[in-house]
Amino acid sequence: GAVVSQHPSRVICKSGTSVKIECRSLDFQATTMFWYRQFPKQSLMLMATSNEGSKATYEQGVEKDKFLINHASLTLSTLTVTSAHPEDSSFYICSARDEADTQYFGPGTRLTVL
Amino acid sequence: QQQVKQSPQSLIVQKGGISIINCAYENTAFDYFPWYQQFPGKGPALLIAIRPDVSEKKEGRFTISFNKSAKQFSLHIMDSQPGDSATYFCAASKGTGGTSYGKLTFGQGTILTVHP
Repeated sequence: GAVVSQHPSRVICKSGTSVKIECRSLDFQATTMFWYRQFPKQSLMLMATSNEGSKATYEQGVEKDKFLINHASLTLSTLTVTSAHPEDSSFYICSARDEADTQYFGPGTRLTVL
Repeated sequence: QQQVKQSPQSLIVQKGGISIINCAYENTAFDYFPWYQQFPGKGPALLIAIRPDVSEKKEGRFTISFNKSAKQFSLHIMDSQPGDSATYFCAASKGTGGTSYGKLTFGQGTILTVHP
């Protein structure tokens, strides 16, 4: 199956700093990628839809100025958590959609904000 | 109308038994129903998916049963193994165009434990 990678897998940062998470589709091109957030023992919550070459579409309640998304190429989308605070600590997961409309998920990034 | 309700919240099965997880949806525009398996600290992995034009799909030990009139679908894991112990999520999405195209709505998840 298709492979989606995320980097870093784990990051610890101080409150007030910014953190960038990369999502790459390794063996297919993805015009659309999705970013999710998952709290412990909870389901995945869609944060935003990332479209190559255009602005991301954010779900209701997600601050677009805090969670900056850039989809620079057909294989790379980045999520930047700006001015991170402890409440932003979570598991961030991306997915990429292939030409058959199947979504493949990355391994996730564990963000801890001190 | 975007909700997908999943049950049970947790499930304990003996090795070799059948695990059954159910999901119900409200939005009749949904036309793609995948199931994902997630291990702790990992991203979800696609197990099997179905579209409403068929009532059942089988891949190895995994079977999806789909009831369009009842707006329900279920995952059956035959001959359950300890290695199947994980959290399972059902999901649904709309395949046509528009702003909701391809967005997955997830169920709440089921923690499956298979005892040896």
